[in-house]
Amino acid sequence: AQKVTQAQTEISVVEKEDVTLDCVYETRDTTYYLFWYKQPPSGELVFLIRRNSFDEQNEISGRYSWNFQKSTSSFNFTITASQVVDSAVYFCGCQGAQKLVFGQGTRLTINP
Amino acid sequence: DAGVTQSPTHLIKTRGQQVTLRCSPKSGHDTVSWYQQALGQGPQFIFQYYEEEERQRGNFPDRFSGHQFPNYSSELNVNALLLGDSALYLCASSLVARGLQETQYFGPGTRLLVL
Repeated sequence: AQKVTQAQTEISVVEKEDVTLDCVYETRDTTYYLFWYKQPPSGELVFLIRRNSFDEQNEISGRYSWNFQKSTSSFNFTITASQVVDSAVYFCGCQGAQKLVFGQGTRLTINP
Repeated sequence: DAGVTQSPTHLIKTRGQQVTLRCSPKSGHDTVSWYQQALGQGPQFIFQYYEEEERQRGNFPDRFSGHQFPNYSSELNVNALLLGDSALYLCASSLVARGLQETQYFGPGTRLLVL
C-alpha cells in the first residue's frame, strides 16, 4: 500500500513570491504514478500533473514546476510568481497497481 | 465535452437512514472510483468499478456499496448512516487502456450531512 506525506499543513505567502509544496511518498510497487491535484473552495479536485515512476525528468508548465527525485521519494511542486488565484488546497497522490492514495493536503493562501 | 457529474450536490440525512449518490463519468471513460473526504482531510478511496464489477475496495465497511451500470454511470449507497459519514463524496472517472488505468478526473462532489 502507498503512503503520502505532505508535511506542510498550511502555507501563506504574499503575491508574486515563489512557493514550494513538499510531498514524500512510500510505495512497494516498482511501477507507480505520482499526481498533484488542486482543490479550490468549490470542492472539485482539479488534475495538475501525473508522473510515471520511470520518468524522473522535471517538468515545467507555465508558472508551475515539479521536481521528482526517486532517491528521496519526493515529488515537490513549485509555483513561481504566485497569484491570488493559486489559493487552494493542494493534494499529492501516489497510485500503484490500482488504488490512488492522497496526502492530507497543503492549504495555500496567497495574500495580495 | 462533459466532465464528471454528480448528484445531488448537497444532502441532509438523519442517523440510521440510507442514501444513494450518483455519478456520470467523463465521456469516453469506463471506470468509476468513489472517495470520501472528511473536513480537513485528503480523499480516502472507497471502491472502484470497472465493467460493472467492484474492482478494488478501500477500508470501508459493508454499509458502503456500489453499482455500475452498462452506460458506465455509478451509484454509491450507504446504509445505516452514522454521524461520521458526514463528508464530501467525490466520484472520479478514468479509462482503462492496455490494462492500465489512466488519470482520474474528479466531479464536483456531493456534500452529505448526517444529523
